[in-house]
Amino acid sequence: EPEVTQTPSHQVTQMGQEVILRCVPISNHLYFYWYRQILGQKVEFLVSFYNNEISEKSEIFDDQFSVERPDGSNFTLKIRSTKLEDSAMYFCASRHRGGTDTQYFGPGTRLTVL
Amino acid sequence: AQKVTQAQTEISVVEKEDVTLDCVYETRDTTYYLFWYKQPPSGELVFLIRRNSFDEQNEISGRYSWNFQKSTSSFNFTITASQVVDSAVYFCALSEVGGTASKLTFGTGTRLQVTL
Repeated sequence: EPEVTQTPSHQVTQMGQEVILRCVPISNHLYFYWYRQILGQKVEFLVSFYNNEISEKSEIFDDQFSVERPDGSNFTLKIRSTKLEDSAMYFCASRHRGGTDTQYFGPGTRLTVL
Repeated sequence: AQKVTQAQTEISVVEKEDVTLDCVYETRDTTYYLFWYKQPPSGELVFLIRRNSFDEQNEISGRYSWNFQKSTSSFNFTITASQVVDSAVYFCALSEVGGTASKLTFGTGTRLQVTL
């Protein structure tokens, strides 16, 4: 069964460093998402991406964040200068079609900022 | 704005007990989808069910059943004869239909602990 994959599973970085989280969505999916879950809290939407552009972003997704689909398979989230409060689990999700379809999530990347 | 409320923060049951997880939602949309996801201790988010706002039929899948009531804006999830493997955090979520985003709005989750 096809699935969303994410690398790395755990990333430790120093405050102020740049990190890139990688995701490979399900191959025939067209809509891509990043969500964040601070430890013990709910899952929060960050950004959605369709047709090579951002379709919606939350207020969390400020200028420090960017997303890219550099080739036909990867979908990346970059945090330019990490802060302590960026420590969280980051989930990538993908969806095949429009609003009638289900989002499938990757296993997540745990980001720890020291 | 959309909102999902899961008032039960944590529930503990003994194996074989039935348990119901509550979910109440708010939306101005007339068409929307409701979801339940399971997050086991390993951390991934596992899709359980999706429900269209036009379809109020209850659904049963093995030991799992879902009760959708539009009149009370609730989408409750019942596990019958719970098992230790059901121990996880369960999230209810809501998404709009239409547009290109259709982001998910999650509740705060209910942690279910099933003990022997």
